[in-house]
Formats: sequence, structure tokens, C-alpha cells
Amino acid sequence: AQTVTQSQPEMSVQEAETVTLSCTYDTSENNYYLFWYKQPPSRQMILVIRQEAYKQQNATENRFSVNFQKAAKSFSLKISDSQLGDTAMYFCAFMKPDSGAQKLVFGQGTRLTINP
Amino acid sequence: EPEVTQTPSHQVTQMGQEVILRCVPISNHLYFYWYRQILGQKVEFLVSFYNNEISEKSEIFDDQFSVERPDGSNFTLKIRSTKLEDSAMYFCASTVLAGGAYNEQFFGPGTRLTVL
Repeated sequence: AQTVTQSQPEMSVQEAETVTLSCTYDTSENNYYLFWYKQPPSRQMILVIRQEAYKQQNATENRFSVNFQKAAKSFSLKISDSQLGDTAMYFCAFMKPDSGAQKLVFGQGTRLTINP
Repeated sequence: EPEVTQTPSHQVTQMGQEVILRCVPISNHLYFYWYRQILGQKVEFLVSFYNNEISEKSEIFDDQFSVERPDGSNFTLKIRSTKLEDSAMYFCASTVLAGGAYNEQFFGPGTRLTVL
């Protein structure tokens, strides 16, 4: 079974700083997806970024980028030029794409606070 | 932009009572999910539902739980006889389709269930 671990329960940085959230996972699969989801206070979880395991190039979405280390089973999220609106719970998640239900396996989450 | 909605946002019930949590998935989506998050723990997959039947369920989803799509829009999770340990945030999600190619799961804001 797959597991996802986020070792940082809480993080706090000043606005405009860069912050990196850590995630490690364990799987015997070779083909899979990894995700970072953001959950603002009292709001829906929304997808921030995804990475296909077969792609060597790290995914980037505007200020959000990942450092995907497949051999080390590490998948960190970097937020550059952090903004107050980035304050949220961030979840790392894993999925096997060829399983019928495509269920997500989540980490414990990291509560990120951006301070003005 | 279409969203997944959930009602109620907070449900308080007595142990042993039945509860029904409701979700309205995005209208053209065909795959539906329930996840839950006990306070301080990981978001966990409960069940997936497609074509009016369960496609996959976790060990958590025992005989006390059931899901239903009673009409063309709602997707419900019923807990027949609630236990204290059922207290959690319950998230509904939907996706266009699953299996094979990746399809993003869209999440609702969650229902906080408190069992007294």
C-alpha cells in the first residue's frame, strides 16, 4: 500500500519570502501521479500542481514549483514570492492512474501561514 | 465556475443516530468519492461510486456506511448508527471519469460531523 508523509505540521513565513513544503511517499509502483492540494480556511481543497512520475521535468505553475526526486521518493513544493492568500492547509497526495477508482492517498497536511 | 457543494456544513448528532451527508457533484461528472479526515489525522479515502454502484471501498467503509445517488444530482453518504469515532470532516469529490487517463478530482468544502 502507498503511504504519504508530510513531516512539517506547521510553517510560517513572511510575505514575499520563498517557502518549501516537504513530502515523502512510499510505493512500489513505477507509474503514478503526485499532487499538492491547497485548502484555504473554510474553503474547498483545490489542486495546486501535479507531477507525472514518468516525467523527469519538474512541474511549475506560476509561483508554485515542485522538486520531484523519484529515486528518493521525495516531492516538495516551493512557493516563491509568497502572498497572504497562500495561507492555507497544504496536502500532498499520491494516485495510481490505472486503478479504476483513482483514489487519492493523502499526507497529514502542512498548515502554512503567510505573515504580512 | 461549477463547484461541488455539500450540506450541511456542520452536523451534530447523538451516538447511535443515523446521519445523511449530502453532496451535489459537478453536473457532467460521473465518478464520485467520499473521503474523511479525523481531526489531526490524514484525509482518508472511504468509497468511490460510478454507474450507480460502488467501484471501490476502504476498510473504513463497513456495513454502517452506505452511499446512494437518489436522483440525478445528489450523492449521499449515510451512517446508520453513528459512533464517537465517526466524528470527522467528510469531503465529497467528483471527477469527469476515472480509469486510464488522469482526471482531476474536485472537492466540496466538507461537512463536519460531531458525534456526542
